[in-house]
Amino acid sequence: QKEVEQDPGPLSVPEGAIVSLNCTYSNSAFQYFMWYRQYSRKGPELLMYTYSSGNKEDGRFTAQVDKSSKYISLFIRDSQPSDSATYLCAMSAWGDSNYQLIWGAGTKLIIKP
Amino acid sequence: NAGVTQTPKFRVLKTGQSMTLLCAQDMNHEYMYWYRQDPGMGLRLIHYSVGEGTTAKGEVPDGYNVSRLKKQNFLLGLESAAPSQTSVYFCASSYRLLGSQGYEQYFGPGTRLTVT
Repeated sequence: QKEVEQDPGPLSVPEGAIVSLNCTYSNSAFQYFMWYRQYSRKGPELLMYTYSSGNKEDGRFTAQVDKSSKYISLFIRDSQPSDSATYLCAMSAWGDSNYQLIWGAGTKLIIKP
Repeated sequence: NAGVTQTPKFRVLKTGQSMTLLCAQDMNHEYMYWYRQDPGMGLRLIHYSVGEGTTAKGEVPDGYNVSRLKKQNFLLGLESAAPSQTSVYFCASSYRLLGSQGYEQYFGPGTRLTVT
């Protein structure tokens, strides 16, 4: 079993819909949770970052962490065609090796105009 | 700032040939990484470096070697290419997020390698 599980999709939704992307993990030591966005034929770029549990909002994006369930989510409101990309979750534990990220496989998101 | 750059962008090799992928960053980051990305597999860490002159193995190091002679450069070598090494290779560098113990990784644009 992988440390981080993420449904690869693709997830196809109409423009304007609310999108929910999710990851589950098994290592209770993870403290830092990140969402990266990767456009086709590009490198991933950091979208949002949260520490420990709770919510974080940035414009149309909300990142949520539920450490008790070992589950993280990324919500996209009023989705746009430009949001079409692969979304990768990544996480790291507290400690000496926290510079290493453990990655989900990525979910491909398609927003239909 | 150019950020993280990778050379070359595309390459086709025949089985058994060798090549070196070059990664350069101008952000003075200590940590650098090489990943490969294959469909459905996500990013898999090949090798990484925590500073100039140091390297370490990641999840899938076999068939690859690396060197970090200068802080800004991280080289990935394939000594004898195999079709299983057909992939997209990404280099990244990282720094500690302000006010946090977490690290953000910055990625290059990738190198698409095909081994026939």
